[in-house]
Amino acid sequence: DAEITQSPRHKITETGRQVTLACHQTWNHNNMFWYRQDLGHGLRLIHYSYGVQDTNKGEVSDGYSVSRSNTEDLPLTLESAASSQTSVYFCASRGQNTEAFFGQGTRLTVV
Amino acid sequence: AQSVAQPEDQVNVAEGNPLTVKCTYSVSGNPYLFWYVQYPNRGLQFLLKYITGDNLVKGSYGFEAEFNKSQTSFHLKKPSALVSDSALYFCAVRVREGDNYGQNFVFGPGTRLSVLP
Repeated sequence: DAEITQSPRHKITETGRQVTLACHQTWNHNNMFWYRQDLGHGLRLIHYSYGVQDTNKGEVSDGYSVSRSNTEDLPLTLESAASSQTSVYFCASRGQNTEAFFGQGTRLTVV
Repeated sequence: AQSVAQPEDQVNVAEGNPLTVKCTYSVSGNPYLFWYVQYPNRGLQFLLKYITGDNLVKGSYGFEAEFNKSQTSFHLKKPSALVSDSALYFCAVRVREGDNYGQNFVFGPGTRLSVLP
């Protein structure tokens, strides 16, 4: 069965370090998204991609970057982790006219 | 601006009673609406969607939602709640980019449903 997986599931890092969160999908979807989930804010869009070599900024993109070198993967990089980036991160993918499929999330703690 | 509101942070209902989780939206043109559910330590799971047609949409696990264009609402309903329905529920709308639908969603803040035995 097709799926979308995130790794790691949990990560603790120090302020100032670079961190990369992985997202891999086997749906062959062109569209991929990264969200962060915080209490009181729901899900907020960080970055998204509509296909290979395409990346776009979302609502809360400062301090984050993504790259899309193939269809299956959209890694999210925190250039210099800050305590404000402590959150739960979700990756999602969708086809052209389908609902979105979400990964199980990565809980990131920046200390 | 395109937005989704879920006016209740928390909804409590007794098992066996009907439940309603409210959602209102603001988007230009015809909306493309979704409900997702999130169980603890899990990602979001798709429940149902409205694109066009019948205003009453049926989805997974016995849930349904009613689209009301005049009230710009898309409330989630279930005739008889189960304890296992306790979870966080998100309403979402597909964004509009001019006359077209974009690939992104705007999510509401979520409503925590607690079904009491």
